[in-house]
Amino acid sequence: SQKIEQNSEALNIQEGKTATLTCNYTNYSPAYLQWYRQDPGRGPVFLLLIRENEKEKRKERLKVTFDTTLKQSLFHITASQPADSATYLCALSTGGFKTIFGAGTRLFVKA
Amino acid sequence: DADVTQTPRNRITKTGKRIMLECSQTKGHDRMYWYRQDPGLGLRLIYYSFDVKDINKGEISDGYSVSRQAQAKFSLSLESAIPNQTALYFCATSDPFDSTQETQYFGPGTRLLVL
Repeated sequence: SQKIEQNSEALNIQEGKTATLTCNYTNYSPAYLQWYRQDPGRGPVFLLLIRENEKEKRKERLKVTFDTTLKQSLFHITASQPADSATYLCALSTGGFKTIFGAGTRLFVKA
Repeated sequence: DADVTQTPRNRITKTGKRIMLECSQTKGHDRMYWYRQDPGLGLRLIYYSFDVKDINKGEISDGYSVSRQAQAKFSLSLESAIPNQTALYFCATSDPFDSTQETQYFGPGTRLLVL
């Protein structure tokens, strides 16, 4: 069956460091991979999308990599800040309508 | 003003009751979705609609029904609520003609408790 795995354990890092979150998938050939941020009690908010033919995408302090051979995406936040503390969701799309979401990884950035 | 709104934001109901969750959007998107989110699980798709005349079941549609009253409105009903439908419910929209195509725009969610 198709499966998306994100680390269920929270990630704790010190302010200023780089946070790296992992998304692994199986039995999928996604056309797109997306990352969303979700704050407690709120809806997910889109951050970045990377296509299957792209290796890396950047936006300000965010960077996403996509390795279709390893079936893995890494999400990096450089110079992390306490305001970056949230849950980050990985989502895969095969094209068309269907998007499958991972359960997310909680990030805590300590001042 | 928020682009995707949901009402109510919180709801407590009893087993067997029929309830409706409503979603409205001002983004002008044709595609709308209903998801539920449970602790430790990803967002799971309940129903989706590509336009007013097109409604499709998602992976967990049993016990739910939907109505697409207009391009901007998509309602989710629980015909006879049961405790395991206690969850956080999200409405979302997407625009297939957007350059990021698959991006979904979420509402703030409805927290539902079924006693």
